[in-house]
Amino acid sequence: EVQLVESGGGLVQPGRSLRLSCAASGFTFSSFWMTWVRQAPGKGLEWVANIKLDGSEKYYVDSVKGRFTISRDNAKNSLYLQMNSLRAEDTAVYYCAREVDNDGFDIWGQGTMVIVSS
Amino acid sequence: QSVLTQPPSASGTPGQRVTISCSGSNSNIGSNAVNWYQQLPGTAPKLLIYTNNQRPSGVPDRFSGSKSGTSASLAISGLQSEDEADYYCASWDDSLKGVVFGGGTKVTVL
Repeated sequence: EVQLVESGGGLVQPGRSLRLSCAASGFTFSSFWMTWVRQAPGKGLEWVANIKLDGSEKYYVDSVKGRFTISRDNAKNSLYLQMNSLRAEDTAVYYCAREVDNDGFDIWGQGTMVIVSS
Repeated sequence: QSVLTQPPSASGTPGQRVTISCSGSNSNIGSNAVNWYQQLPGTAPKLLIYTNNQRPSGVPDRFSGSKSGTSASLAISGLQSEDEADYYCASWDDSLKGVVFGGGTKVTVL
């Protein structure tokens, strides 16, 4: 079964760091771009970052540039999001998703909740 | 404020046709494909339409997509109660170098 499972969310104080993980199974992980999308409580979807098959290209939404880092370990079939200098506005459910060229995000994880609060 | 503009809500009775618009610009919809996602309450989004008008396997043919210039639309014909959900359009933006989403449209079946 093709599956993505996120982990690592939780409650964190403003200014601190958190690392999210996404474990992939059921497909050849190294053959796909991967992405992170977030959704603040009661709000819409916001794309956060994506990463090329081999990690050689990465793109970020402006609001997280310089604070978040996306990475992957193809040997472990895993995607990561290192989040530093967290702010209250980073509070959201974070989803990892598989990209299919320009054909959208066809597989999504169940999401992991990040709450940034003192 | 989202880069892609969608109406916040749409509604219809069972069996009716509902259309959701998505307006963008030359840097996104005007030069890239549009994808649509359905998010049922309390669940992760699901890919509904890709590359403007293609349906993934398993998506009913009453869902259809189209694109013209810098706008796109999603149509739901034969509306059913299980179609009550939030719908989002998305596209790559060449200027922002990232994916942009619409603000989402909540579809209510009356």
